[in-house]
Amino acid sequence: GQNIDQPTEMTATEGAIVQINCTYQTSGFNGLFWYQQHAGEAPTFLSYNVLDGLEEKGRFSSFLSRSKGYSYLLLKELQMKDSASYLCVVCNQAGTALIFGKGTTLSVSS
Amino acid sequence: DAGVIQSPRHEVTEMGQEVTLRCKPISGHDYLFWYRQTMMRGLELLIYFNNNVPIDDSGMPEDRFSAKMPNASFSTLKIQPSEPRDSAVYFCASSLGYPGSNQPQHFGDGTRLSIL
Repeated sequence: GQNIDQPTEMTATEGAIVQINCTYQTSGFNGLFWYQQHAGEAPTFLSYNVLDGLEEKGRFSSFLSRSKGYSYLLLKELQMKDSASYLCVVCNQAGTALIFGKGTTLSVSS
Repeated sequence: DAGVIQSPRHEVTEMGQEVTLRCKPISGHDYLFWYRQTMMRGLELLIYFNNNVPIDDSGMPEDRFSAKMPNASFSTLKIQPSEPRDSAVYFCASSLGYPGSNQPQHFGDGTRLSIL
């Protein structure tokens, strides 16, 4: 079967660093995305990994290990506006289908 | 630039009625996706099109659901007859590339559908 696991909820304080983990078991692999979704809004693209390693984009970084079926999203210098749901999304081998995690709801407090 | 445009933003109707959701993708995007999001099941891909042709409709829940893309700038998702369990937020997204490409999907604001 195909499955993506990520924690349901996480909490952190402003200015801190938080790491959101994602493990996946899918029929092959052809890329992993992270999307951010604020409550009541549409998902927005954060990052894409297809090769092992770390991709950095400002305060956000995403890491991938294909051999371990593992990714994480690292958020630095947390701000209140980072309170949102973070979706881990994996593409299958053929590149034709996306499998979505249920999302991790991050709450940032002052 | 205009993003993905969906209408209506909200729809409340009684079960048994036909519901039509509409989407205008970003100009130049060859791929269009329809999603459904609920608390229980999260975000689910229903169907996607490439150059107006349906590529994968394996996520469409049952025959009551149908989707069309008559041209590059318009798509519809229809539910007939609607049932209370169809209540969800329906998103449309478009992209320059296939799902596994590094091209991100751009989502519309969604249609919040409530079937009474």
